[in-house]
Amino acid sequence: GAVVSQHPSRVICKSGTSVKIECRSLDFQATTMFWYRQFPKKSLMLMATSNEGSKATYEQGVEKDKFLINHASLTLSTLTVTSAHPEDSSFYICSGNKGVNTEAFFGQGTRLTVV
Amino acid sequence: QKEVEQNSGPLSVPEGAIASLNCTYSDRGSQSFFWYRQYSGKSPELIMSIYSNGDKEDGRFTAQLNKASQYVSLLIRDSQPSDSATYLCAVNMEGTYKYIFGTGTRLKVLA
Repeated sequence: GAVVSQHPSRVICKSGTSVKIECRSLDFQATTMFWYRQFPKKSLMLMATSNEGSKATYEQGVEKDKFLINHASLTLSTLTVTSAHPEDSSFYICSGNKGVNTEAFFGQGTRLTVV
Repeated sequence: QKEVEQNSGPLSVPEGAIASLNCTYSDRGSQSFFWYRQYSGKSPELIMSIYSNGDKEDGRFTAQLNKASQYVSLLIRDSQPSDSATYLCAVNMEGTYKYIFGTGTRLKVLA
């Protein structure tokens, strides 16, 4: 299967600071990647679709100014949580796939804790 | 609103038994279906993909698809305690990269 690498795997930050999470497709080019958020014992919640070379598409209820997404190349998408607050603490996961109607490959996930 | 539904469980089966996980979906146009396994604190990993009606077998796993009934299932034979995890059903929205995930079924295999 394809490899998607996500970093960092774990981060603790202070309230009010920003955190950047990177998602790289290592062995394929991804024009589209997805960012999810997952609370304990809950399913994946799609936050946004990251599009290479253009603006991300955000799901309803997700603040685009708080969750900044940049997809500057075919192998890298980043999610920046700006002015983080404790309620932003969650497990963030990215995914990419090689083509339409094909399986998604997930990054390892990032556990964000805001203190 | 396109949806994917799963029983949240937990589904408990004894070691060595067959575990049967079910999923229904609402989008009749969907063509691609996936099962992911997620251990606690980890990201999902792909178990099976299925695109055509019928059964698809891979080792101890069998995926079954019935597009007329909008139903997809996963059978795990000879269940092991290491199979204990949450199993997510995912449906690809036709012609897109986008997926809809079910809420997942928590499976417990009892030793």
